[in-house]
Amino acid sequence: ETGVTQTPRHLVMGMTNKKSLKCEQHLGHNAMYWYKQSAKKPLELMFVYSLEERVENNSVPSRFSPECPNSSHLFLHLHTLQPEDSALYLCASSHNGPLQSNEKLFFGSGTQLSVL
Amino acid sequence: AQTVTQSQPEMSVQEAETVTLSCTYDTSESDYYLFWYKQPPSRQMILVIRQEAYKQQNATENRFSVNFQKAAKSFSLKISDSQLGDAAMYFCAYRSAQGAQKLVFGQGTRLTINP
Repeated sequence: ETGVTQTPRHLVMGMTNKKSLKCEQHLGHNAMYWYKQSAKKPLELMFVYSLEERVENNSVPSRFSPECPNSSHLFLHLHTLQPEDSALYLCASSHNGPLQSNEKLFFGSGTQLSVL
Repeated sequence: AQTVTQSQPEMSVQEAETVTLSCTYDTSESDYYLFWYKQPPSRQMILVIRQEAYKQQNATENRFSVNFQKAAKSFSLKISDSQLGDAAMYFCAYRSAQGAQKLVFGQGTRLTINP
């Protein structure tokens, strides 16, 4: 257990559904991240929040909408997804944020998303 | 842009033996950090070992050590005395030391431990 909790663990949704992924960290960290892990592809950074402000958005389609209401919680709101969005979505946190290059990331167990 | 390549999609090793996972990277920078992360079936990515590019000495963490060859841009992971709990996907990752740079991951190597 790394102190980063993600729910739900599995999610199946249709292309017209709206759903949200939740991430909570119990480590007192200041930065949180969303990563996408697709089969046979490297992990892709989607969003970074530092002190509740979005500091990075890697050209992610608008059907993915992040929200960081406080430093302990991070959401990823999903709407009108495509089948190719099916992947493992991993949340991570770090103590000092993305400016610290040697920063250790603490990951959650991910949400396995299937879009039908 | 930096890239990280892991040329071994799968590796297997006999329990208690030693295995080496390969990683190469491409960068024009001189200052950066390299990481090995492990992802067991629980799916949680866990940091195994970390290397600062300015350090010549190879990092070591118990049974895990790296062979960092800066000129060759190579960063292999050696696991000694392999244990069943070492079975996982292993990801090599790169991060620039300048600015708010993202962590760039390789494609991963699936390691199987044979009892």
